[in-house]
Amino acid sequence: GQQLNQSPQSMFIQEGEDVSMNCTSSSIFNTWLWYKQDPGEGPVLLIALYKAGELTSNGRLTAQFGITRKDSFLNISASIPSDVGIYFCAGRSPPGNQFYFGTGTSLTVIP
Amino acid sequence: NAGVTQTPKFRILKIGQSMTLQCTQDMNHNYMYWYRQDPGMGLKLIYYSVGAGITDKGEVPNGYNVSRSTTEDFPLRLELAAPSQTSVYFCASSYWGTGANVLTFGAGSRLTVL
Repeated sequence: GQQLNQSPQSMFIQEGEDVSMNCTSSSIFNTWLWYKQDPGEGPVLLIALYKAGELTSNGRLTAQFGITRKDSFLNISASIPSDVGIYFCAGRSPPGNQFYFGTGTSLTVIP
Repeated sequence: NAGVTQTPKFRILKIGQSMTLQCTQDMNHNYMYWYRQDPGMGLKLIYYSVGAGITDKGEVPNGYNVSRSTTEDFPLRLELAAPSQTSVYFCASSYWGTGANVLTFGAGSRLTVL
């Protein structure tokens, strides 16, 4: 299957700080998705990206579809305690209909 | 609107036992997926279905079977449970067509094989 490299693996930050994480792929993707997973729950969609160079925001979250189509970035501004969780990227490469997932970034926000 | 519903939420099996994880969605999505999640790992695709009567293998299909007799339901069957199948299982669905193609997940089923 496809390998998605997601980094960093974990982050410990102070409340109010900004956060950045990214995913890279060895293949070209035509869709990038970013999910957040809380303990004991399923992943919940944060942002979907469909075009190279696309920059999309969802509140304090901003994600970008890399112009090479092999990477994507997620930024969280002014972090708050409820941002704690595991963030996953997922990508789909043409012409397939399978989504491949990164290994996740565990975020801890210290009040 | 319930979305994707999985049952059971927790289950303990003995080696060699069999069981079925149930998944149903009420969003009229055509695609459905089963993933497993192991600690520190991302989600790995087990099987998926593009519509009723059609299923295909994902990355890690060994030891599992699926069927899709209706649009709504996509059960995952473990025939001879092994400790390596201890994991959290997630069912997901999506609408594959023009517009947004995203995965909607259930809450997960935690399976332990002893």
